[in-house]
Amino acid sequence: QKEVEQDPGPLSVPEGAIVSLNCTYSNSAFQYFMWYRQYSRKGPELLMYTYSSGNKEDGRFTAQVDKSSKYISLFIRDSQPSDSATYLCAPIKAAGNKLTFGGGTRVLVKP
Amino acid sequence: NAGVTQTPKFQVLKTGQSMTLQCAQDMNHNSMYWYRQDPGMGLRLIYYSASEGTTDKGEVPNGYNVSRLNKREFSLRLESAAPSQTSVYFCASMRDFDQPQHFGDGTRLSIL
Repeated sequence: QKEVEQDPGPLSVPEGAIVSLNCTYSNSAFQYFMWYRQYSRKGPELLMYTYSSGNKEDGRFTAQVDKSSKYISLFIRDSQPSDSATYLCAPIKAAGNKLTFGGGTRVLVKP
Repeated sequence: NAGVTQTPKFQVLKTGQSMTLQCAQDMNHNSMYWYRQDPGMGLRLIYYSASEGTTDKGEVPNGYNVSRLNKREFSLRLESAAPSQTSVYFCASMRDFDQPQHFGDGTRLSIL
């Protein structure tokens, strides 16, 4: 079993819909949680970063962490075609120096 | 700002050939990383360097070597390329564990 699991998708939604992405992890030592967005033929870029359980909002993006269930979510409101990308979750241990990436979920937002 | 720069962007090799992938960062970051990305496999860590002068194996180190030349540069070497090493290789750097990793745009490597 992989330490970090994501549904690979693709997840296809119409423009304006809410995109819901999920990630589960097995290692309780993970304390910091990052979401990266990767456009085709580009390197990943940091989208959201959170530490504590609960919600963190940044514009149209909300990251949700439930440490008790080892479950991470990313919500994209009012989705745009420019949100079409692969979304990778990546937890890290406190004082760690290695991210562990999920396999990524590919999202397609259709105009 | 350049961020993380990888060279070359594309390369085709024959089985058994060797080559070095170069990576440089201009953000004064302490840690640097080499990943490979294959369809359905996500990003897998090959080697990393937590600080200048140190290197450690990641998840898939076999067939690769690395050199942390100085704080800015971290190279990845394939001594005898194999078709299984066909992949997209990403270099990343990070200041500290609670900071994001910054990625280059990758090297697309095909081994025939």
